Amino acid sequence: NAGVTQTPKFQVLKTGQSMTLQCAQDMNHNSMYWYRQDPGMGLRLIYYSASEGTTDKGEVPNGYNVSRLNKREFSLRLESAAPSQTSVYFCASSLGGGGQETQYFGPGTRLLVL
Amino acid sequence: RKEVEQDPGPFNVPEGATVAFNCTYSNSASQSFFWYRQDCRKEPKLLMSVYSSGNEDGRFTAQLNRASQYISLLIRDSKLSDSATYLCVVNHNQAGTALIFGKGTTLSVSS
Repeated sequence: NAGVTQTPKFQVLKTGQSMTLQCAQDMNHNSMYWYRQDPGMGLRLIYYSASEGTTDKGEVPNGYNVSRLNKREFSLRLESAAPSQTSVYFCASSLGGGGQETQYFGPGTRLLVL
Repeated sequence: RKEVEQDPGPFNVPEGATVAFNCTYSNSASQSFFWYRQDCRKEPKLLMSVYSSGNEDGRFTAQLNRASQYISLLIRDSKLSDSATYLCVVNHNQAGTALIFGKGTTLSVSS
């Protein structure tokens, strides 16, 4: 099992450009999450999907959209990138929601917005 | 008050030392508690869950004090490979919520 995979690993964007971060899991997990991690800020939840067909905002959703394409895939889209979105983005999944179960993280996408 | 607070460190210890990390959380409704480990430029990985009665996994011992809203992690006989950032994580177990991460405590073990 690959676990949680993310593409791309690195990306440089210019302000105003758009891009989609892809995430897939092969553990048959129901819940998936997108976090960003900034120096001195810790991990912050952007969006999550408790189950296929549902998505909800987390702590810092502004400037992002998500799509739960199917049970395996959960994508994060930046419509008009801003320098403040420079960060490391982690996707995670868990068997259930509610936070009682272990979350498994992907390797991250490092994004630089110029 | 931040939801989950940790001393950022760094904690610099020699191999073989015992080191303890502390964490406080603000929401008394929190129900689930974890320690995650994150190596430099890598993803977080679950180190251990924290149970009310305290629990041990090899050299690692986790304690929970609900009255004081305080979680601890004790590492005995530190190894070079223990060098990492340790994240204290809590969850409210309410529908539609996810994990709340502390900013992490950095440990550096030297020979």
